[in-house]
Amino acid sequence: DQQVKQNSPSLSVQEGRISILNCDYTNSMFDYFLWYKKYPAEGPTFLISISSIKDKNEDGRFTVFLNKSAKHLSLHIVPSQPGDSAVYFCAASASQTGANNLFFGTGTRLTVIP
Amino acid sequence: DGGITQSPKYLFRKEGQNVTLSCEQNLNHDAMYWYRQDPGQGLRLIYYSQIVNDFQKGDIAEGYSVSREKKESFPLTVTSAQKNPTAFYLCASRGSLYGNTIYFGEGSWLTVV
Repeated sequence: DQQVKQNSPSLSVQEGRISILNCDYTNSMFDYFLWYKKYPAEGPTFLISISSIKDKNEDGRFTVFLNKSAKHLSLHIVPSQPGDSAVYFCAASASQTGANNLFFGTGTRLTVIP
Repeated sequence: DGGITQSPKYLFRKEGQNVTLSCEQNLNHDAMYWYRQDPGQGLRLIYYSQIVNDFQKGDIAEGYSVSREKKESFPLTVTSAQKNPTAFYLCASRGSLYGNTIYFGEGSWLTVV
């Protein structure tokens, strides 16, 4: 059973516009959420994270929003640049379980059109 | 430079053979992980280790084995029992038990021929 879901496999956005990538989760024990960016044949690169005690975290062009009641988070990229074209993975972990590992969504391929 | 090094980057294996993927980190991280990615899919956890000489099965451990004899090293062996071994394998590490980010190596492509 997929505990972290990214329902949009792909997204295309014009350069300079906002990209919004969405992620839903089912496990209410999740308390730490991350976004990774991945290019083909490379390891994922950490982008930004958010703890469940916050509802927003911002780092430059990247902002993550967390809606705990809806079990939903989103990544906003503004303005989008062609170099942002990659696959974006949402991930979540539950610190209280001690399992100490991340659960990943299936990814969303973002294409930024020049 | 600190980081996670995986080798080899590309590996071909004949059916019925075991193969070992290397993962070394110099970040002084306690926890290490192996994930597998198949085309068009997310990352699935194979094994993880929180401390030296201890490791736990992930979601898809069948056909794989690991060891953690040193803090810096977490090799993964893909055995002949793994029915679909062709995939992209990712090693990762984390600095402390809770709340820290997992960082990934560059990955290893394994192809069974």
